[in-house]
Amino acid sequence: NAGVTQTPKFRVLKTGQSMTLLCAQDMNHEYMYWYRQDPGMGLRLIHYSVGEGTTAKGEVPDGYNVSRLKKQNFLLGLESAAPSQTSVYFCASSNGLARTGSYNEQFFGPGTRLTVL
Amino acid sequence: AQRVTQPEKLLSVFKGAPVELKCNYSYSGSPELFWYVQYSRQRLQLLLRHISRESIKGFTADLNKGETSFHLKKPFAQEEDSAMYYCALSGLLSGSARQLTFGSGTQLTVLP
Repeated sequence: NAGVTQTPKFRVLKTGQSMTLLCAQDMNHEYMYWYRQDPGMGLRLIHYSVGEGTTAKGEVPDGYNVSRLKKQNFLLGLESAAPSQTSVYFCASSNGLARTGSYNEQFFGPGTRLTVL
Repeated sequence: AQRVTQPEKLLSVFKGAPVELKCNYSYSGSPELFWYVQYSRQRLQLLLRHISRESIKGFTADLNKGETSFHLKKPFAQEEDSAMYYCALSGLLSGSARQLTFGSGTQLTVLP
C-alpha cells in the first residue's frame, strides 16, 4: 500500500495564480484532512471531509476550497494564491473508532512545499 | 478552545542522557493526547498515544490531568532519536472525525 500520497511535492506560484493539490489514500479511510505547517507553528487544519461528497471548514479555511468527489481523493484548491499561503501542506486520513474505543490515528502524506511569490 | 504548548523549540542532549520533551495542553473535556514524530525527510507519524499507555522506541508519556501536561520521556537518548516531535490533542469535529491540534514542535538533536 502506498498509504497517503500527495502531488505535487513542490510548487512555485506567482501571486494571483491558481492551483490544485491532490491527496490520495488507498486505505479506504472515511476521513481526510488538509493541514498547513508554518515555521514556528504547529500544523493547522484547513478543511476536512467525513466522507465522499462532504467537506467542512477547519481552523484556517480562508483562501482555500476543497472537493471530495471520490472517497480516495481529497483536493485542495487555491483560486488566487497569495504570499501568505506560502507553506508546507499536509494531507492526512483516518478511519473512525478503533476496536479499543479510542480514535484511530491519522496517517499523513509526505507534504507539498508551496511558495507564492 | 483547545491549545497545545511546547515551550522548547530546540533541545539538544548527549547520547545516553535522559531526555524530556514538554507538552502542556488546555481542553475543557476529557483529552486524548498523542505524540507524533517527523524524522528528517520522512512524513509525520504517530509515536504514541496516552490511552495506550505503551512504550515505543523507549519513549513514554504520562498524562497528568492536574498539571495538564503530557511530557515525552526517554531515559537514554540515542542519535537516531533526533527528529521533530509534535504533541497533539484530539478534539471532536463531527461523527468520529477528529481534529488534531498540534503544538509548535520541538526539534530534538542527540549529540554523539
